[in-house]
Amino acid sequence: GIQVEQSPPDLILQEGANSTLRCNFSDSVNNLQWFHQNPWGQLINLFYIPSGTKQNGRLSATTVATERYSLLYISSSQTTDSGVYFCAVEFGSNYQLIWGAGTKLIIKP
Amino acid sequence: ETGVTQTPRHLVMGMTNKKSLKCEQHLGHNAMYWYKQSAKKPLELMFVYSLEERVENNSVPSRFSPECPNSSHLFLHLHTLQPEDSALYLCASSQDLGGRPQYFGPGTRLLVL
Repeated sequence: GIQVEQSPPDLILQEGANSTLRCNFSDSVNNLQWFHQNPWGQLINLFYIPSGTKQNGRLSATTVATERYSLLYISSSQTTDSGVYFCAVEFGSNYQLIWGAGTKLIIKP
Repeated sequence: ETGVTQTPRHLVMGMTNKKSLKCEQHLGHNAMYWYKQSAKKPLELMFVYSLEERVENNSVPSRFSPECPNSSHLFLHLHTLQPEDSALYLCASSQDLGGRPQYFGPGTRLLVL
């Protein structure tokens, strides 16, 4: 089956730093989403981005579908950015999302 | 606020108890999902409903019983659970099955004693 790998698994940064999170997938995808899970467990949609580039405030994402990867950029990190970032993909005729293991981000004040 | 609510937020139950988790979406979506998230493991899809019909049951034990009375509400009935069922249970919805973003509720953190 399709594999979804995220890197790095853990990232610790000082407030104000920038970061890049990566998601690699092993097959062509129809759908790719980035989520942020806060320390209380709430999953928030960040981007629905099967291809191309999108920006939302300090966050942006790029998916290069032909090369099977997506990047999430976080600029000027804040402590509220802490949590786990997941990418999840949907491929072929299967509507189920396949999830990566996540990147745990800690932003220190 | 994602437009998907879940109650209760926390639940402690014994192995002989029966309880239910409730999910409600206010987004006008047609598909709803139950996921289980255990520590150190990826999210596991448990059940999928589309237009109130179950379309997926991913080999989930019968002690978990879903119910979807209408397109806005989804329940997960629990009975005779095991301690290893302790986890965060997440509900999600999407406009339709496939090719649509999924929106998640805040989850129910379940502890089985």
